[in-house]
Amino acid sequence: EAQVTQNPRYLITVTGKKLTVTCSQNMNHEYMSWYRQDPGLGLRQIYYSMNVEVTDKGDVPEGYKVSRKEKRNFPLILESPSPNQTSLYFCASSIDRGTEQFFGPGTRLTVL
Amino acid sequence: SQKIEQNSEALNIQEGKTATLTCNYTNYSPAYLQWYRQDPGRGPVFLLLIRENEKEKRKERLKVTFDTTLKQSLFHITASQPADSATYLCAPRGFQKLVFGTGTRLLVSP
Repeated sequence: EAQVTQNPRYLITVTGKKLTVTCSQNMNHEYMSWYRQDPGLGLRQIYYSMNVEVTDKGDVPEGYKVSRKEKRNFPLILESPSPNQTSLYFCASSIDRGTEQFFGPGTRLTVL
Repeated sequence: SQKIEQNSEALNIQEGKTATLTCNYTNYSPAYLQWYRQDPGRGPVFLLLIRENEKEKRKERLKVTFDTTLKQSLFHITASQPADSATYLCAPRGFQKLVFGTGTRLLVSP
């Protein structure tokens, strides 16, 4: 089954404790991205990747890092999480930046 | 700056009626626009894509229009069902990427 998976689905952590949210797709897609979704603000792009080893900042990259060492995986790293990073996070993949995007199930992160 | 407007108020309609959702955009001219459905706590799911040279596109009970002069897209669901209740997001193609609206919640009552 074609899908995007994310782990964990739910995470409660404390300020400053490094964490990684994993994202994997099995559709051989070139393009992957991370979004955060907050009430009233919609989906905002954090980082995106056009291909392996090619990543770039989206609209709200501060406080986040990503890597793309393999085509299928695109982890999101929060080196020192803060409460304002409490949000619902989605990973997405697509053939290229403009085509239909396939979203993962989401990761609800709470930073205390 | 690029701006997308979707009605933030929920749209309540009765089963069987046609739901019409609006997406307005300003300060850019997207080559195409996508519509997604999102259920609470879940990832958006792609529904339709319409290009700037297409005035209308249909898929089963769904119809999308794209008026580049008005800078507006309309999303219609005909013969609506309670299962159509969800939030619908429009996503015009901005500079190098999709830009998502905040969505309109649709509630279809039996």
